[in-house]
Amino acid sequence: EDKVVQSPLSLVVHEGDTVTLNCSYEVTNFRSLLWYKQEKKAPTFLFMLTSSGIEKKSGRLSSILDKKELFSILNITATQTGDSAVYLCAFISSGSARQLTFGSGTQLTVLP
Amino acid sequence: DAGITQSPRHKVTETGTPVTLRCHQTENHRYMYWYRQDPGHGLRLIHYSYGVKDTDKGEVSDGYSVSRSKTEDFLLTLESATSSQTSVYFCAISEDGNRGNIQYFGAGTRLSVL
Repeated sequence: EDKVVQSPLSLVVHEGDTVTLNCSYEVTNFRSLLWYKQEKKAPTFLFMLTSSGIEKKSGRLSSILDKKELFSILNITATQTGDSAVYLCAFISSGSARQLTFGSGTQLTVLP
Repeated sequence: DAGITQSPRHKVTETGTPVTLRCHQTENHRYMYWYRQDPGHGLRLIHYSYGVKDTDKGEVSDGYSVSRSKTEDFLLTLESATSSQTSVYFCAISEDGNRGNIQYFGAGTRLSVL
């Protein structure tokens, strides 16, 4: 059975800290891995990774995928209180009609 | 919210009553999805649609049905609501092509079944 596990479940840091969120997966016929940010509303798309070792960056956020070791990390540098949210990773496997399977998320709290 | 409107945004109902949630998109995307989100479970797929009148089951489809008679509308029906269906329901859409793996989510419907 395909599954994705995120760690840690929750994390509390102070503004300016750097955080690393982890997503490990066991997926047959892996196609893509996606990261979403969810504040108290809809999940919003951050990154999609399909190739191993290629870093995706957007401002202070970056992500990388390791298809050999079956994990992805999401880094946030110089954290701000606005980064407080649940971060979700999800994968799509080939032949799944684009169904996303989500992890349970990491709750990040950034204190001023 | 990527041209997606969910209605109602909040609903309280009683056990045994039918409930229909609506998802409306203005993006003309082919794929539409219904998820539920519960504490400790992340988002789980209920049903999805890959075109008008084309739907299929997801991971947690028991107790739910869907219909898609127009490209822009995807309805989720709870035929006889149960307390275990208290949840937040999200609709999502995705397009054809290379970026079709990216799903964009509506604002959600919070449903309470008493």
